[in-house]
Amino acid sequence: DGGITQSPKYLFRKEGQNVTLSCEQNLNHDAMYWYRQDPGQGLRLIYYSQIVNDFQKGDIAEGYSVSREKKESFPLTVTSAQKNPTAFYLCASSMGFTAGDRGNQPQHFGDGTRLSIL
Amino acid sequence: SQQGEEDPQALSIQEGENATMNCSYKTSINNLQWYRQNSGRGLVHLILIRSNEREKHSGRLRVTLDTSKKSSSLLITASRAADTASYFCATDQGRETSGSRLTFGEGTQLTVNP
Repeated sequence: DGGITQSPKYLFRKEGQNVTLSCEQNLNHDAMYWYRQDPGQGLRLIYYSQIVNDFQKGDIAEGYSVSREKKESFPLTVTSAQKNPTAFYLCASSMGFTAGDRGNQPQHFGDGTRLSIL
Repeated sequence: SQQGEEDPQALSIQEGENATMNCSYKTSINNLQWYRQNSGRGLVHLILIRSNEREKHSGRLRVTLDTSKKSSSLLITASRAADTASYFCATDQGRETSGSRLTFGEGTQLTVNP
């Protein structure tokens, strides 16, 4: 079955440590996204990528970094510069530019990674 | 900044009743989407309504869009306990050259009591 896989489900970070969250999709989607969700709140966009080897900052990119070396993978690194990393992180994908109906596409989500500070 | 604001923040109803959630937004959009999130899980796409559409149906779901008022509503008819979840609206201001980029509201927590 096609879908998005995020790992790990739970992650703990020590002070001063960088951690990387994995996101893999087998939907053949061009576009991928990372969101942060704090308790009782909506999603905020961290980074997004419309195509391989290209990505753009979202609304809250500070303290995070990404790469998009392969179409199916979009890992997110939470760096030590992110002072309040405790949150639920969600990865999503959509068809992107290869779709005939650009800009009118749903996003498909993984089941998230919950990051906490030790 | 949050583009969409949802109302109410929380809604509790009995099984079989209808549930209505509202979403307002501030700037022009390409489309508006509704998603559901069960506790601790990812989001599931429900309906996408384009800026030139006024109403859309999918099973027990009915979505309306009023671009003049910059508002949308989601109606769930004959609700079930399994409909208990958080519901989010998301606006897409994407263009052909920049692709899709969603801005989410803070959600409505729906509880359907058996």
